[in-house]
Amino acid sequence: DVKVTQSSRYLVKRTGEKVFLECVQDMDHENMFWYRQDPGLGLRLIYFSYDVKMKEKGDIPEGYSVSREKKERFSLILESASTNQTSMYLCASSSTGENEKLFFGSGTQLSVL
Amino acid sequence: AQRVTQPEKLLSVFKGAPVELKCNYSYSGSPELFWYVQYSRQRLQLLLRHISRESIKGFTADLNKGETSFHLKKPFAQEEDSAMYYCALSGQGGKLIFGQGTELSVKP
Repeated sequence: DVKVTQSSRYLVKRTGEKVFLECVQDMDHENMFWYRQDPGLGLRLIYFSYDVKMKEKGDIPEGYSVSREKKERFSLILESASTNQTSMYLCASSSTGENEKLFFGSGTQLSVL
Repeated sequence: AQRVTQPEKLLSVFKGAPVELKCNYSYSGSPELFWYVQYSRQRLQLLLRHISRESIKGFTADLNKGETSFHLKKPFAQEEDSAMYYCALSGQGGKLIFGQGTELSVKP
């Protein structure tokens, strides 16, 4: 069974903290994505990567950065967490031949106090 | 501009009633459209894609380029269809652009 695993289901952090969200996939997918999911706003793309050490900004990259040192792992970094970054974060992966068939993780609900 | 609009936040129907979840898009090229679904306490997953012209769990969706729509339909709703539904457009660079989502509630 294909798997995208996000390291934490719930996280509570304080304003100003540096936050790491980890995502690992075991499908040998080239493409990985980070979205945030907010009620009424749907899913918005933060960053994505089509290859190791490669990253591209999505629609809302401000306040975030990413790291992809290995093919299977894609990390989202909040350099200095703020309350408006409280959200559900979803990681996804896909293969190059089927870009649009995303496999999602179960999500990380981040609360920034 | 590339955009996906789902005008309804919540759609509530009774079991056995027809369902139509609306999706409109804005895209200058030849669009590829998808429906994703998230059941309670489950991961978001692909339901169907327009290019396959398939019916999944009784749902169908037809791409109407004239009306720039990709509405999701099912003739007889079931309680297990209750979920969050997202329409998505494959934009430039192969990125998926999602709509705001519609919560479908099917009452017994």
